[in-house]
Amino acid sequence: NAGVTQTPKFQVLKTGQSMTLQCAQDMNHNSMYWYRQDPGMGLRLIYYSASEGTTDKGEVPNGYNVSRLNKREFSLRLESAAPSQTSVYFCASGKTGVATEAFFGQGTRLTVV
Amino acid sequence: GESVGLHLPTLSVQEGDNSIINCAYSNSASDYFIWYKQESGKGPQFIIDIRSNMDKRQGQRVTVLLNKTVKHLSLQIAATQPGDSAVYFCAENAGTYKYIFGTGTRLKVLA
Repeated sequence: NAGVTQTPKFQVLKTGQSMTLQCAQDMNHNSMYWYRQDPGMGLRLIYYSASEGTTDKGEVPNGYNVSRLNKREFSLRLESAAPSQTSVYFCASGKTGVATEAFFGQGTRLTVV
Repeated sequence: GESVGLHLPTLSVQEGDNSIINCAYSNSASDYFIWYKQESGKGPQFIIDIRSNMDKRQGQRVTVLLNKTVKHLSLQIAATQPGDSAVYFCAENAGTYKYIFGTGTRLKVLA
């Protein structure tokens, strides 16, 4: 029972490089989310997908793009990484319709130098 | 804007004692609240939730209290154990798909 799986777990990028963070869930959830977590701050929503085929901006979307590839997978892309994007990124998934808890992956620690 | 915050950034308790972690929320329209536990190097894990039509909910060793009058949420952990050491977040539902998370309280359990 894997739940929410993120890859990679760690990544170092040079400024200007691009990369995609992968996320997959096996709980048949409609909703998926990408958050970033920075020291002294709560989790901040980057993008979310309420269902397959839809994506919407969250609180801090600038510098990111997302793709809801299918019901299981939701990827986050950094087109041109900046040091300000150094953070821990969490993918989450949840049911749709009635507010319920979100289930989180283990996180990706990204450093942009 | 709307926000969720915590009163104490760090809480130290003796093993076996009860722990109380507090949270204030500002969106009176929020109708669903969650407590998460995050251990070092891991993602947040669901502990317990409560809807606004309740003022108390109990789980295994944990109790969440909701006071809508003063917009306050608390997590009580009974007989705190070393394995309870972690950062605890509260979150409020600000719409069906969106949650606002607090900055977290670090709980340290002293042997």
